[in-house]
Amino acid sequence: EVQLLESGGGLVQPGGSLRLSCVASGFTFSNYGMIWVRQAPGKGLERVSGINNGGSVTNYADSVEGRYTISRDNSKNTLYLQMSSLRADDTAVYYCATSTGYYGIWGQGTQVTVSS
Amino acid sequence: EVVLTQSPGTLSLSPGERATLSCRASQSVSSGKLAWYQQKPGQAPRLLIYGASNRATGIPDTFSGSGSGTDFTLTITRLEPEDFAVYYCQQYSDSPRTFGQGTRVEIK
Repeated sequence: EVQLLESGGGLVQPGGSLRLSCVASGFTFSNYGMIWVRQAPGKGLERVSGINNGGSVTNYADSVEGRYTISRDNSKNTLYLQMSSLRADDTAVYYCATSTGYYGIWGQGTQVTVSS
Repeated sequence: EVVLTQSPGTLSLSPGERATLSCRASQSVSSGKLAWYQQKPGQAPRLLIYGASNRATGIPDTFSGSGSGTDFTLTITRLEPEDFAVYYCQQYSDSPRTFGQGTRVEIK
């Protein structure tokens, strides 16, 4: 079964850090670019960060540039998002997805809540 | 940045009716690089359409996409109960990739 499974979300204080993981199964992970998309409560979709299939090219939304780092380990079929200097407006459900321009396979999401 | 504007914000229809959703881009989306997604409450988005008019695997033919340039349309020919959801368009012809703000299709 084709699947992406996120983990690592939780409650964190403002200024804190968190690392999200996304494990792929059922397809050749190393063939796909990957992205992280977030959705704040009651809001739409925001593309946060992307990485190419080899891990050599990354990009970030202005809202997270300098605070988030995307990476991947193709030997472990895993995508990561290291988040630091977290703010209240980073509170959202974070999804990972495959990227071929459009986003074909999505994980179920992991909740990140930034609050004191 | 390409801004995608979806209309209407909310569409109130009955099961069996036809739904027409619009996505307008602030600049031309080259080669029809536009996708549509469906999201139900508490679930991840699901790819419906890519390349403006190509249905993703497993998507019924009641869903169709059309358009080019700056104007795109998602049509659901006969609404089933499970089709009531929020729909997003997304362009991938320019960086950064962007989403529209969504159209909610609700039961009238």
